[in-house]
Amino acid sequence: NAGVMQNPRHLVRRRGQEARLRCSPVKGHSHVYWYRQLPEEGLKFMVYLQKENIIDESGMPKERFSAEFPKEGPSILRIQQVVRGDSAAYFCASSPLGQGYNSPLHFGNGTRLTVT
Amino acid sequence: QKEVEQDPGPLSVPEGAIVSLNCTYSNSAFQYFMWYRQYSRKGPELLMYTYSSGNKEDGRFTAQVDKSSKYISLFIRDSQPSDSATYLCAMSHPFQGAQKLVFGQGTRLTINP
Repeated sequence: NAGVMQNPRHLVRRRGQEARLRCSPVKGHSHVYWYRQLPEEGLKFMVYLQKENIIDESGMPKERFSAEFPKEGPSILRIQQVVRGDSAAYFCASSPLGQGYNSPLHFGNGTRLTVT
Repeated sequence: QKEVEQDPGPLSVPEGAIVSLNCTYSNSAFQYFMWYRQYSRKGPELLMYTYSSGNKEDGRFTAQVDKSSKYISLFIRDSQPSDSATYLCAMSHPFQGAQKLVFGQGTRLTINP
């Protein structure tokens, strides 16, 4: 049984470039969550998606960040015009049940973004 | 003030010791409480998951929740070098979504052989 798969594991971008982070949830899970872990900080919620819908994006920065979870394929977190402050580990988690249910999250191993 | 406070450590103990890790929180609406273990360069791994107050035991691990004090603990008995990792507490409440977690900063733990 494959867990949450994220790729790439490491991503280096120059300032101003775009970063695309991909997340394939556990097979059969239709709920995806993205969290960001800045150096020496705990994880912070960014966005919650179901297939083809953004349910809660209250943790997403207002500009440059977007997320999608299409009907087919992985969830994508996209960061446009990256800045040094975007350097962090980005984790994806999935769940078979929605946010109203008692179903703990299981995380992938993350994508470590470095902006130079 | 952060919603969840956790001493970042580092905490270093000898092998076989009992380890106590703690978090305090300010939001009384939290009802789901979790402990995750994170090895270097890996994702958080769910260790314990409790609902509301009380104790939960799983092998060498015991999680305690005291909602009246807004305080949660994780105890590790007979600690092993393989327990060396960062331990993150996390919590959520159903009104904002049970999986919309608020994490502590994490405590870095080292078990010395």
